[in-house]
Amino acid sequence: SAVISQKPSRDICQRGTSLTIQCQVDSQVTMMFWYRQQPGQSLTLIATANQGSEATYESGFVIDKFPISRPNLTFSTLTVSNMSPEDSSIYLCSVERSGSGYTFGSGTRLTVV
Amino acid sequence: DAKTTQPNSMESNEEEPVHLPCNHSTISGTDYIHWYRQLPSQGPEYVIHGLTSNVNNRMASLAIAEDRKSSTLILHRATLRDAAVYYCILRDPALGGGTSYGKLTFGQGTILTVHP
Repeated sequence: SAVISQKPSRDICQRGTSLTIQCQVDSQVTMMFWYRQQPGQSLTLIATANQGSEATYESGFVIDKFPISRPNLTFSTLTVSNMSPEDSSIYLCSVERSGSGYTFGSGTRLTVV
Repeated sequence: DAKTTQPNSMESNEEEPVHLPCNHSTISGTDYIHWYRQLPSQGPEYVIHGLTSNVNNRMASLAIAEDRKSSTLILHRATLRDAAVYYCILRDPALGGGTSYGKLTFGQGTILTVHP
């Protein structure tokens, strides 16, 4: 299955600042998915990032708050903008592998203080 | 998305088999049944998936009811490393249009505790 490198693994940030999370895949993929996992909760899809087009956001998530870049078929970034303590979560990227299900990065644990 | 229902938690002893149930009474004919697990402090990990027939792989077995309204993930011999949250997810690969194709919708899952 795909190998995903996600950076940073964790960060503590001041409210009002922004953090950009990087996701690098070891081979080309069409779609990359960004999820959020709030403390003690399950995963919620934020958006789907397709190379060459704007990301598609799920209900409750907006581009101004979570801008996404997808410059090529192996890389994507998610920015958490103007952070507040409510943004403290684990953020994960994911890709699909034909016949092998989905592979997830190890996540970025974000704490906003 | 079709919904799944799983028990909040289950317990098992090491070396014993574990049967994790999942109900999906509104499953459509094209929905695949996926299972993922999330170990503590890690991202979810693919376990197995199937459509109609039972499936086996090195990690587990998936038993699918004849009417497809329920399924069971079977861990043949639980180990302490199998302690995780197990998610049963339905996915329709026929969904197209770019926006919804391929996404997974996670429920709350089953917390599996394995006792030594």
